[in-house]
Amino acid sequence: DAKTTQPPSMDCAEGRAANLPCNHSTISGNEYVYWYRQIHSQGPQYIIHGLKNNETNEMASLIITEDRKSSTLILPHATLRDTAVYYCIVRGIQGAQKLVFGQGTRLTINP
Amino acid sequence: GAGVSQSPRYKVAKRGQDVALRCDPISGHVSLFWYQQALGQGPEFLTYFQNEAQLDKSGLPSDRFFAERPEGSVSTLKIQRTQQEDSAVYLCASSLSWTSTREQFFGPGTRLTVL
Repeated sequence: DAKTTQPPSMDCAEGRAANLPCNHSTISGNEYVYWYRQIHSQGPQYIIHGLKNNETNEMASLIITEDRKSSTLILPHATLRDTAVYYCIVRGIQGAQKLVFGQGTRLTINP
Repeated sequence: GAGVSQSPRYKVAKRGQDVALRCDPISGHVSLFWYQQALGQGPEFLTYFQNEAQLDKSGLPSDRFFAERPEGSVSTLKIQRTQQEDSAVYLCASSLSWTSTREQFFGPGTRLTVL
């Protein structure tokens, strides 16, 4: 599975959009980009995933660049409850389907 | 319906003791995963089951770690002769099917402290 690079920490004001970047320059054609988050003392929570098209659900939007070497997770109206560690993960179709977590980005939403 | 549950939520063991950690996946979920999360780190894969078959145990750190899922539902992670470096949060996750695009649902984890 391709490696991902994320900034270690970010801050965002409550009510503003939080944009979390992720680099995955070695991603291959059959690998998906997944985002999970982990709120303190809880297990990771799935947010969204995509292959090459932009995706949106009730939690967030995922923007993947045309060359697929990077992506951005967008939380459109961040709340204090969005404070968490956000993990960007690249995972292929084949294999054991395990998730390979990096260090993630610690996002702090400030009032 | 209920999510993934794990028990106990907290476990303190003396070095050398054996421990057993339980995971109840979401009903009907075929795939089950165990991860280990050290303090301040991201979770790391330990092992994977598809129904009762353990298809990947490449992440188990030593032969002191053993996992089973005999009836394809509940799973137990056993650690024998615990060491201080085994102190971590142990996370269980389940997924509806073997289809790789399906998301994994995580339990709250069991925090193991080895004294």
